[in-house]
Amino acid sequence: NAGVTQTPKFQVLKTGQSMTLQCAQDMNHNSMYWYRQDPGMGLRLIYYSASEGTTDKGEVPNGYNVSRLNKREFSLRLESAAPSQTSVYFCASSSNWGTDTQYFGPGTRLTVL
Amino acid sequence: GQSLEQPSEVTAVEGAIVQINCTYQTSGFYGLSWYQQHDGGAPTFLSYNALDGLEETGRFSSFLSRSDSYGYLLLQELQMKDSASYFCAVRDLDNQGGKLIFGQGTELSVKP
Repeated sequence: NAGVTQTPKFQVLKTGQSMTLQCAQDMNHNSMYWYRQDPGMGLRLIYYSASEGTTDKGEVPNGYNVSRLNKREFSLRLESAAPSQTSVYFCASSSNWGTDTQYFGPGTRLTVL
Repeated sequence: GQSLEQPSEVTAVEGAIVQINCTYQTSGFYGLSWYQQHDGGAPTFLSYNALDGLEETGRFSSFLSRSDSYGYLLLQELQMKDSASYFCAVRDLDNQGGKLIFGQGTELSVKP
């Protein structure tokens, strides 16, 4: 059981470039989430997928899009990266919508120059 | 909306007991969770309180007072490996409690 996996671990982009962060979970969880974490701040929700086939915006969705590819995979896309998107991105999953225990991936450290 | 407050830093010595407080403001309340994060790694779930009182899990305990909108995480017999950031979180009632709102985190430093 790998839990929640994320790729890549590190990425450097130039302003205006695009990229997709990948996330997969092998726990048969229904709900998945994307967070960003900036220095000295907690985790802020970008987008979430309460169940396969649904996605919705969180607190800070501007500049991002998501795709729930199947039950296992939930990707985050930056269409035109900006320096303000420099952050650590965490993917998480939970068994069902409304359960407190979320399981997090190791994170992707993104720098936008 | 929801908001949480916790101290930004706490320092303690090995073997001691430390308490990390969390106060919250919510329009409704499901429960209070605690997560641990080492060195910017993956946050991991520690505990969840839905009812008033103390929940104990080994060296860690978590307390909730719903009437005071207050909770704390108690770490006993501190070890160097407990140096980490600790986040409290509440569920956002606007979406049937599915979204977690995190505090800004408390960085715990354990000194020898």
